[in-house]
Amino acid sequence: DQQVKQNSPSLSVQEGRISILNCDYTNSMFDYFLWYKKYPAEGPTFLISISSIKDKNEDGRFTVFLNKSAKHLSLHIVPSQPGDSAVYFCAANWNAGNMLTFGGGTRLMVKP
Amino acid sequence: DTGVSQDPRHKITKRGQNVTFRCDPISEHNRLYWYRQTLGQGPEFLTYFQNEAQLEKSRLLSDRFSAERPKGSFSTLEIQRTEQGDSAMYLCASSPILGGYTFGSGTRLTVV
Repeated sequence: DQQVKQNSPSLSVQEGRISILNCDYTNSMFDYFLWYKKYPAEGPTFLISISSIKDKNEDGRFTVFLNKSAKHLSLHIVPSQPGDSAVYFCAANWNAGNMLTFGGGTRLMVKP
Repeated sequence: DTGVSQDPRHKITKRGQNVTFRCDPISEHNRLYWYRQTLGQGPEFLTYFQNEAQLEKSRLLSDRFSAERPKGSFSTLEIQRTEQGDSAMYLCASSPILGGYTFGSGTRLTVV
């Protein structure tokens, strides 16, 4: 049972435009959500996170939105740059637990 | 500190052989985690340690998998009697007690 799902395996965007990556979850106990970015041959690196008490968190070009009623979060990247091309994973945990549950990832390609 | 180090980066082994992977966390991090990532999937939690104590191991995939962190510093993950289905990327991460993960680059295991 996949508790965190990323339904788009890939996304292609033109440089300078907005990239929107989506993530859905089923476990209503999740209260903390994270996005990681992964380049080939490297481990995932933390990008941005959001607590369930918020509905938006912004860090530079990256904004995460959380819709608790829909059990949906999204990552917006504006403007997209070719260096953003990577696989993006959303992850969730609850009660400050130590186990992260990851989605399957979305491969973002930003075309120059 | 150079981050989380994993060794080896790649391992090819014959079915039925035992393999051991090593992870050196960031030195001031108390917690150490092991995840497995198969092709097209997100990382899947296996186990974690706080200092030398293994606090969660129910997610280890079978009794062929075991992990140790004998002195609360580096950790090893052993897979006995490897099977082709064990082929995956094995990721290690570390964190302070309150704080985010830093992942290593992983060990890619291929069982032939």
